[in-house]
Order: sequence, then structure tokens, then C-alpha cells
Amino acid sequence: DVKVTQSSRYLVKRTGEKVFLECVQDMDHENMFWYRQDPGLGLRLIYFSYDVKMKEKGDIPEGYSVSREKKERFSLILESASTNQTSMYLCASSLSRAAKNIQYFGAGTRLSVL
Amino acid sequence: DQQVKQNSPSLSVQEGRISILNCDYTNSMFDYFLWYKKYPAEGPTFLISISSIKDKNEDGRFTVFLNKSAKHLSLHIVPSQPGDSAVYFCAARLDNAGNNRKLIWGLGTSLAVNP
Repeated sequence: DVKVTQSSRYLVKRTGEKVFLECVQDMDHENMFWYRQDPGLGLRLIYFSYDVKMKEKGDIPEGYSVSREKKERFSLILESASTNQTSMYLCASSLSRAAKNIQYFGAGTRLSVL
Repeated sequence: DQQVKQNSPSLSVQEGRISILNCDYTNSMFDYFLWYKKYPAEGPTFLISISSIKDKNEDGRFTVFLNKSAKHLSLHIVPSQPGDSAVYFCAARLDNAGNNRKLIWGLGTSLAVNP
């Protein structure tokens, strides 16, 4: 089974802090994604990566950056956390050449910025 | 502009009856559609999918129907069980080699199955 692990289930941070959210997958997937989920807004793509050191902006990249130094790990960085970044953050991975493009998700990180 | 629309934010069904969740899309270049299920405080899990060259795919209690001419798909759950209570997301993939790694997501429909 594919396993996508997010380092924290719950995080509480202060406004202005630098925040790192880590995600690791164990299935040698090329693609990795960061989403946030907010009530009534569905899943919104922040950034994704299709290879080591490669990244592309999603729909809402402002206020975020990412890092992919190794194939299995994809980090989301909030350079200066703000209260409007309080959300559920979801990491996913998928295989590039798979017919179905199924994305496998981690359990999520609930981030509260105070 | 939402390319994948789930127009019903919520749905309530009696246990044992059929649940029908709907999804409409606008882009005729979508070639693959997926349904995900999400429980609170968990990540979404893949449920069932359908290729644009098919009109039906069945997996146990779950069936997805695709009507390409209407740009509409639906997920049928029969019989519905209380454990099916969750948010269901419809997602689509673009048939575009340079851009088909991403999925385009609907906003989700919250299903409540009442005992």
C-alpha cells in the first residue's frame, strides 16, 4: 500500500513564525502535491512537484514556498505565517506514467496560526 | 471559474436507500474522472474512477456513470450505509501531456446516511 506521511497532525504557530510542513511518500512517486482544504472551498492546490528540485505553482501559491531535495520528501514552507493560513493542509503523491493518475493522500496537518 | 462542479453541498439519505452524487464539468478535454471520499480529520481516499471512453464503471456498491454529451457524471451508492457518511469529491484529469499530472477538483458533497 502507498503510504504518504505528514510529520504533524496538529500544529499551533504564532503570526510571523516560519512554518515547515513535511511530507514523505514511500512508493517512489514522481509527483507530489500540497493542498489546503477550507470549508466550502474544496481542495485548493498550492504547489506541486514532478521531479526532484522541480516545482510548479498551483492555484494559490502566495505566501508559500516548497522544497523537494529528495524524491520521497516534499516540504511546504510558510515564510511568515498569517492567520488566514489557518487551514487543513494535505499532501499527496502520484505516479507520472500511471493510467489513472490516482493521487494518494496523507492524513493531513491541521494548522492554527494565532 | 469552476471547471468541475458539484452543485449539491450536502445530501441526506436513509440507510439502505440509494445515494446519488452528481458532478458536472465544462472542459471537453478531460479524459479521466475520479471520485474520492474524505472523512473528517483524514486525507481523501480514492474510491472509483472512469475513463472518458466508457459510460459506466462498477465496484461493489459503487457505480459511476458518465454522460459525455451532457458533461455529467454521477456516483451511485447502493445500498447506502452509515459508514458512507463523508465528503465526496469529484476530480478530473486533462488529456494534455504537459498538464495531466494535476487533477481539477470539485468543491465536494457532504453525504449523511441516517440509520
